[in-house]
Amino acid sequence: DIQMTQSPSSLSASVGDRVTITCRASQSITSYLNWYQQKPGEAPKVLIYATSSLQSGVPSRFSGSGSGTDFTLTISSLQPEDFATYYCQQSYSTPMYTFGQGTKLEIK
Amino acid sequence: QVQLVQSGPEVKKPGASVKVSCKASGYNFTRYAVSWVRQAPGRGLEWMGWISTYNGDTKYVQKLQDRVTLTTDTPTSTAYMELRSLRSDDTAVYYCARVDTTWGVYIWFDPWGQGTLITVSS
Repeated sequence: DIQMTQSPSSLSASVGDRVTITCRASQSITSYLNWYQQKPGEAPKVLIYATSSLQSGVPSRFSGSGSGTDFTLTISSLQPEDFATYYCQQSYSTPMYTFGQGTKLEIK
Repeated sequence: QVQLVQSGPEVKKPGASVKVSCKASGYNFTRYAVSWVRQAPGRGLEWMGWISTYNGDTKYVQKLQDRVTLTTDTPTSTAYMELRSLRSDDTAVYYCARVDTTWGVYIWFDPWGQGTLITVSS
């Protein structure tokens, strides 16, 4: 099975900061990588699919990059509503769509 | 609009079974697969399984494959997740999600149901 590892597990930042979250796969997943945002008490919401494609309605301050085993989610200028937990997910090993353990983004 | 609406919370005793429903609306049910994901309190997302709404093919995570069954009912556009021999560590919020895709190549989950809390306690 493909294992997904995110870093850091938690992160403190301020409004306006540029933030990067990393996701590493245990083997190459080419560009089959998605990012989700989850706020407390809510279901996850997809932000980015296929490494860098922004889901409709998601603000352009979110971006994704990478290939192979190493991927990043970048938020260019943090807004108050961005404080949440972020998960990466691989969709290379169909249909075994495993998630990373999550990165909790907190207000500094 | 496209949405998935799940059944309500349940409390079960260890050893019992639970069946969670996920009713789809706003799209052609048989054109998109459904996956199930669970989240234990304070923990991350755990992918549980996948079902083709077209032909009923299923795939389960290995640790649950002896206890979980995914089914669908096409006339009502409803997917079901049954988990048997419940244990305390099955306490979690269970989500269904539509498996969206571009040309059958790239796949992601959107939308998600609102979640169903299953509590296993004696």
